[in-house]
This record gives sequence, C-alpha cells and structure tokens, in this order.
Amino acid sequence: AQSVTQLDSHVSVSEGTPVLLRCNYSSSYSPSLFWYVQHPNKGLQLLLKYTSAATLVKGINGFEAEFKKSETSFHLTKPSAHMSDAAEYFCVVSDTNAGKSTFGDGTTLTVKP
Amino acid sequence: DTGVSQDPRHKITKRGQNVTFRCDPISEHNRLYWYRQTLGQGPEFLTYFQNEAQLEKSRLLSDRFSAERPKGSFSTLEIQRTEQGDSAMYLCASSPTTEGNTIYFGEGSWLTVV
Repeated sequence: AQSVTQLDSHVSVSEGTPVLLRCNYSSSYSPSLFWYVQHPNKGLQLLLKYTSAATLVKGINGFEAEFKKSETSFHLTKPSAHMSDAAEYFCVVSDTNAGKSTFGDGTTLTVKP
Repeated sequence: DTGVSQDPRHKITKRGQNVTFRCDPISEHNRLYWYRQTLGQGPEFLTYFQNEAQLEKSRLLSDRFSAERPKGSFSTLEIQRTEQGDSAMYLCASSPTTEGNTIYFGEGSWLTVV
C-alpha cells in the first residue's frame, strides 16, 4: 500500500525568500517519488522525480527535493521564490513500475510581493 | 512531441445524459492513465492501459464509467447517466515504457453536471 501526506495545505512566502513544501510518504516497497505543479485551470507539470538514484534531486525552475528514507520524507525546496511560483503543488508516490500513482492533497503556495 | 491532448476541454451536461472524453497520448507512449480531480483535492487514479489492455481499474470507476483504448493509441472515457457528483476535471496522462512510472499529463477535461 502507498500513501502520501502533504503537511501544509497552504504556504505563504515573500518574493525572494526560500520555499519549503513538506511531504511524507508511506510505501511497502522502494518507491518512486515525484513533485508536480498545477497552475489554475491547467494540467499538472512534472517538476522533478526520485527513482532510487541520487537522493538530492534537481528539477525545473530552480526546485529541488531530498529523499530521506529514515524520515520517509521528500520535501521540496527552492532558495528564492518568484511570483510565477504561485500555484498548487502535489507530492506523488508510486511503488510499482507502472500503474497507479497516489497523490497528496496538495499545497497551495502563495508568493507575496 | 505535442504533448497529451484532451477533448473537449470543457463540457456542461444535464444530469442523466451521457458524456465522452477523448485522450490522445504522446506518440509512442504505450501506457495511458485516467485520473479524476475534484476541487481542492489531488488527482485520484481511475484506470490504466498498457497498449490496448486495461490492466488496472479503481473502485472509483463505477458501472457507469467505461474506458477504452481500442487500437492502443487514443482512449475514450464515457460516463453514462451522469450525476452531479461526477462534476470534476478528468485528467489523462501517458508514459513510455522506458520511464517506468513517470507520467505526463494533459490539460484535463472539465465536466459540469447541472
């Protein structure tokens, strides 16, 4: 069984300050983990993925995430927020090579000028 | 590579009517997925195809829902006798075998049942 918990439903930061979006997961196997971003009324765009290679994963738009097996966490970070980062972010776990992926409930990121 | 394409993007229908959504995956992606997303929630898995074979179905996919991928290319999702609770965004995604469980989403099809 697999599940994911996004610890914050809303995060608000000022432009130029760091971003931290928290995600914990549960999986029976060695999981693959993903972060997706969704802008209003749009589909989901893949930000980055962890698939058992390096534990620090770099993605698009300056985002990165670190896989910590001991803490079952996969938190998303960015050193400096930009106004265009305001969106909904989803943490995703999949413990199979194909098929069902399980999404968290999402974190809404607001960026203040 | 034109991305995953979904049609229609928006559909308003009366309760009790049937609706059909179409998904064209990224070319040469042999895996295709359908998810449903309601307001304020993350997407929920509905079903998954590898080529033309439907390999997995969620319990969310009631008897009123049917998905097909007859030639292993495009897919359709039909909802019969729509109910107000079916109002949601229906997301299609695809992936190539070479990328395991990394999936690429389309823009989604919004359904409003009135």
